[in-house]
Amino acid sequence: DAKTTQPTSMDCAEGRAANLPCNHSTISGNEYVYWYRQIHSQGPQYIIHGLKNNETNEMASLIITEDRKSSTLILPHATLRDTAVYYCIVFNTGKLIFGQGTTLQVKP
Amino acid sequence: GAVVSQHPSWVICKSGTSVKIECRSLDFQATTMFWYRQFPKQSLMLMATSNEGSKATYEQGVEKDKFLINHASLTLSTLTVTSAHPEDSSFYICSASRMTSYNEQFFGPGTRLTVL
Repeated sequence: DAKTTQPTSMDCAEGRAANLPCNHSTISGNEYVYWYRQIHSQGPQYIIHGLKNNETNEMASLIITEDRKSSTLILPHATLRDTAVYYCIVFNTGKLIFGQGTTLQVKP
Repeated sequence: GAVVSQHPSWVICKSGTSVKIECRSLDFQATTMFWYRQFPKQSLMLMATSNEGSKATYEQGVEKDKFLINHASLTLSTLTVTSAHPEDSSFYICSASRMTSYNEQFFGPGTRLTVL
């Protein structure tokens, strides 16, 4: 499975959009981009995933570049409860391998 | 839907004892279950993959005789930490995979193990 690169940490003001980038330059054609988040001392929570097209659900939007080498997770109106570690993972079958993720701190 | 539970949510045990952690998929059949370990301020580390009715596949560096995994049914997998030592204290998380076109995985809430 391809590796991903994410910034170690980011801050975001409450109520503003949080844009979390992820680089996955070695992604294969059949690998999906998944986003999970982990709030302190809880199990990871699925957010969204996509293959080629941009995706949106009730939690977030996922923007994937045309060459699929990078993506951005957008939380449109961040709240304090969105403070968590966000993991970008490229994956098709088998094992989800977690990198270090991005620690997002939403501030009042 | 797609809820995964773990029991217990936390456990404290004495060094040298064994501890069993259960992982259940409550509303779906899990073809594959995964066990992760997470130390403070670190990411999740995959320990092993288990398929119902077959032996677990362990990641490199994970002792299979110490971390016994049983996947007896499509809704239950157990992880037994044998002869636990303080260095085994960690947050253990399971996930269950439901076969779809893109292999969704759903995570349990985790079990905090403290070995005294």
